[in-house]
Amino acid sequence: SQQGEEDPQALSIQEGENATMNCSYKTSINNLQWYRQNSGRGLVHLILIRSNEREKHSGRLRVTLDTSKKSSSLLITASRAADTASYFCATDVGAGKSTFGDGTTLTVKP
Amino acid sequence: DVKVTQSSRYLVKRTGEKVFLECVQDMDHENMFWYRQDPGLGLRLIYFSYDVKMKEKGDIPEGYSVSREKKERFSLILESASTNQTSMYLCASSPWGEGAQETQYFGPGTRLLVL
Repeated sequence: SQQGEEDPQALSIQEGENATMNCSYKTSINNLQWYRQNSGRGLVHLILIRSNEREKHSGRLRVTLDTSKKSSSLLITASRAADTASYFCATDVGAGKSTFGDGTTLTVKP
Repeated sequence: DVKVTQSSRYLVKRTGEKVFLECVQDMDHENMFWYRQDPGLGLRLIYFSYDVKMKEKGDIPEGYSVSREKKERFSLILESASTNQTSMYLCASSPWGEGAQETQYFGPGTRLLVL
């Protein structure tokens, strides 16, 4: 079974709206990361949040982590058509390895 | 700028062929990974290497082998390709993080079709 699972599977919004994606995981983690993947390409790292952090910002991205609920959320504010992509959370499973969920596919309509 | 390159973007092979997928990173990273990505199954780890000549099996190593003779290069080998190995293959590298996951840098992927 996967360590991290994203929700929803798919999200469609209008340009300018905010997009929120969630990730739940099962076991304790050292950190959690979010990645983005444009169609047919490799993943690109967005943000890392450590287990002792509750919130982190990077530009229009805001990530929260609730270790008591074993969940994280990624908020993209003022979305743009160029934000259309799949978004994955990655949780660590020890020895430097990560496990990825199935991702949330975000479509931002112009 | 960090860079991970993969030898091919698209590859078509026949059942039973031996297939080599090459990955090169220029960041002097200790860790290198091979994943396959299939719709509905997410990314699954095939093999992982944390040093030259060192390798560890991931979640789905069956039908695959790897080679890491130099720090910058990690090869994935399909000994006898089968149609169920048709997939997107992603290579990644990361620095050694003393056990915790570190940021992984991904290559562009190789889309392999086995006929």
